[in-house]
Amino acid sequence: QSALTQPPSASGSPGQSVTISCTGTSSDVGGYNYVSWYQQYPGKAPKLIIYEVTKRPSGVPDRFSGSKSGNTASLTVSGLQAEDEADYYCSSYAGSNNLFGGGTKLTVL
Amino acid sequence: QVQVVESGGGLAKPGGSLRLSCAASGFTFRDYYMSWIRQAPGKGLEWVSSISFSGSTIYYADSVKGRFTISRDNARNSLFLQMNSLRAEDTAVYYCARDLRPNYATYEFGYWGQGTLVTVSS
Repeated sequence: QSALTQPPSASGSPGQSVTISCTGTSSDVGGYNYVSWYQQYPGKAPKLIIYEVTKRPSGVPDRFSGSKSGNTASLTVSGLQAEDEADYYCSSYAGSNNLFGGGTKLTVL
Repeated sequence: QVQVVESGGGLAKPGGSLRLSCAASGFTFRDYYMSWIRQAPGKGLEWVSSISFSGSTIYYADSVKGRFTISRDNARNSLFLQMNSLRAEDTAVYYCARDLRPNYATYEFGYWGQGTLVTVSS
């Protein structure tokens, strides 16, 4: 049950786009289309922003998008805004368990 | 509206026990997979355990297998986590989370509680 691999940090200026990667294996990310992404502010509970690789829950801005290629999933935040500065975690169904990535701290410069 | 509220956290000694509870409201509890997820101070998220609609199917992370027991009471709309043989590394905020969609298990957590802090220290 190894964690998924995310870069520890990412950054971009307001208005720019940033992509965060999430690498797993064929037993998790590559094997299922149940990859989700969560946004977490300090001291708050995580919030689901992407599910089933590409879908957005109601209320999540379309600036957030997800994709997957092979064993790597990605979250793209377009038109960066100051409020997007937060921690982001990927997650994948893995059969009899679930895996999270180590998290990426997104800084808006 | 959907709500999940955790309780039962606190200070425990190494080797001790704690029982966490999660009270659910605003949805048909028996129709959803439920999970516990934890976050150690300053660290990332770690999936702990999940339980099926009726409680017949249960999964645990290797780090807690044999020490923690997840259960649910659908009549009381409640989820539980019995934690035994606690270790310092179990110190974390423990979140109760509901799967996004009913009658389906994808471990995509659509609703989270505010978390309850468990501290294991002598």
